[in-house]
Amino acid sequence: DAGITQSPRHKVTETGTPVTLRCHQTENHRYMYWYRQDPGHGLRLIHYSYGVKDTDKGEVSDGYSVSRSKTEDFLLTLESATSSQTSVYFCAISESRVAEEVLAKNIQYFGAGTRLSVL
Amino acid sequence: DAKTTQPPSMDCAEGRAANLPCNHSTISGNEYVYWYRQIHSQGPQYIIHGLKNNETNEMASLIITEDRKSSTLILPHATLRDTAVYYCIVRATSGGSNYKLTFGKGTLLTVNP
Repeated sequence: DAGITQSPRHKVTETGTPVTLRCHQTENHRYMYWYRQDPGHGLRLIHYSYGVKDTDKGEVSDGYSVSRSKTEDFLLTLESATSSQTSVYFCAISESRVAEEVLAKNIQYFGAGTRLSVL
Repeated sequence: DAKTTQPPSMDCAEGRAANLPCNHSTISGNEYVYWYRQIHSQGPQYIIHGLKNNETNEMASLIITEDRKSSTLILPHATLRDTAVYYCIVRATSGGSNYKLTFGKGTLLTVNP
């Protein structure tokens, strides 16, 4: 999985509790992403980061926050989990080198996923 | 990003070549074709990409027609482990702030023993 570790791999939690998912990379890639995957919706981008402390919202960011204090770590936090956030969450990374900037964002390497159940 | 059309499912015998088609008739000159796959319960996996020339890597070959309106991903000797959903994605080279990869429904390739 291209040096990407997601933790935990599985989690069951209760509605209203905070949850933090971690994505750790050993590739020193600039870009990192959080997606969720649900039946009938495919993969949807939650948040992404284009550098340390540089993050932005994706298409389904409500109810989620992220932080990136180090190149290698990108955290996804559900401040107060809801049942609608039950999903499989994937982290992805991509490189950015000057000569390949235009391709960098489109070649993403994904982690193994975190299966989250909110009861 | 140009729209892509793929068959919902295909079968292939183990050891034979798997040829997965993708139609992207509205592709524009600055758009690349990317292929990803997702094996059940795993994260998507990048396979290959191309602009107009045919491309080959250790996983697959990508054949793009001369008019660039369609492409074919070829797995030369399919194995059972190649059973997965295969996604064809068309993206512009100048992505701007659009970081989102859009995965459509893809093609479920089933490799049979």
